[in-house]
Amino acid sequence: QKEVEQNSGPLSVPEGAIASLNCTYSDRVSQSFFWYRQYSGKSPELIMSIYSNGDKEDGRFTAQLNKASQYVSLLIRDSQPSDSATYLCAAGTPFGNEKLTFGTGTRLTIIP
Amino acid sequence: GAVVSQHPSWVICKSGTSVKIECRSLDFQATTMFWYRQFPKQSLMLMATSNEGSKATYEQGVEKDKFLINHASLTLSTLTVTSAHPEDSSFYICSARSSQGQPQHFGDGTRLSIL
Repeated sequence: QKEVEQNSGPLSVPEGAIASLNCTYSDRVSQSFFWYRQYSGKSPELIMSIYSNGDKEDGRFTAQLNKASQYVSLLIRDSQPSDSATYLCAAGTPFGNEKLTFGTGTRLTIIP
Repeated sequence: GAVVSQHPSWVICKSGTSVKIECRSLDFQATTMFWYRQFPKQSLMLMATSNEGSKATYEQGVEKDKFLINHASLTLSTLTVTSAHPEDSSFYICSARSSQGQPQHFGDGTRLSIL
């Protein structure tokens, strides 16, 4: 069974610090990886997508992918209170409809 | 770009009512749309995948006669919850994707409450 695992948290980080969110996946054929942010009572919002090994930066966000270790991470620099949310990691496989398998999410709280 | 509109945002209705939820991609053509359900404090659960002009593919345990999905065009998919009961109360979220490998973009969700 395909699984995506995340530490459920809560993860508390002081404002201005770096928040580090981790995710592992079990299906080795996964080719696409996404991080979504979900505020309470709202739908997920795409933060980052990553397809190749290495780092991908977008503003304060950096996604890291290591396919050999089946590991994906998201770093948030200069954390702001507005970053407080649940972060969902998702992995997609290149077959058929390419469904995404979501992790259960990590709840992040930025402490002012 | 990549805006997905979902309507309605909230539905409160009596048990036995059928409810239709619309999902539209506003600025791109969505070859594939997905329907999810999310219960409080749980992650997204995929219900079904729909491709334009084709029958939806339902996940195991999801009743296709209960949750009717129509993907009539590249910008519109609908989910109809037939004869809804209190246990169907949940947060229903659609997503749309332009092509394989591209991210799924989510609608704002529909909170369904069956009395």
